[in-house]
Amino acid sequence: GNSVTQMEGPVTLSEEAFLTINCTYTATGYPSLFWYVQYPGEGLQLLLKATKADDKGSNKGFEATYRKETTSFHLEKGSVQVSDSAVYFCALSDPGNTPLVFGKGTRLSVIA
Amino acid sequence: EPEVTQTPSHQVTQMGQEVILRCVPISNHLYFYWYRQILGQKVEFLVSFYNNEISEKSEIFDDQFSVERPDGSNFTLKIRSTKLEDSAMYFCASSGDHTYEQYFGPGTRLTVT
Repeated sequence: GNSVTQMEGPVTLSEEAFLTINCTYTATGYPSLFWYVQYPGEGLQLLLKATKADDKGSNKGFEATYRKETTSFHLEKGSVQVSDSAVYFCALSDPGNTPLVFGKGTRLSVIA
Repeated sequence: EPEVTQTPSHQVTQMGQEVILRCVPISNHLYFYWYRQILGQKVEFLVSFYNNEISEKSEIFDDQFSVERPDGSNFTLKIRSTKLEDSAMYFCASSGDHTYEQYFGPGTRLTVT
């Protein structure tokens, strides 16, 4: 079945540092890939998505590229801010309105 | 901006009791989901619901669980006889017919004692 593996946290960075959170997946077919973010006390929010190979999703300075050859969807940001402190979840789904399969989440703490 | 809401935010119950978790999906969405996250573990899919019936369920969603859309706005998850291992954060989500993005509520933390 489908599965997602993402790097374990927590990750602690200084403000303006470069962020990479690794995510790899196993899937049959051609899944859609997502990054969700959960700020303290809030629900899961969609951060970005990509639906086919070589697509780049981007939002709020975050980017991730759908790499079919390496089955990866790593999240990157060039300069993190304290407000980026949250838990980040990589997820996939088969095309259409289908259930999401999540990674375990990576907690990011950014210190000033 | 429309959002998914969930009540209560925290529910404490004794083992063996029934609980009902409530969700109000985004009003024009047609697909509804429940997920749960046991502390420190992955967010796991429980069930999806479309056109007033279950469209898909995981092996976690056994006979003690049920879902219902009792009116035009609410979507509920019932756990008939709670167990200690049901303690988790339960998330409701919804998606539209032409956009597959799932929008999540803030979650209900269920604690079974």
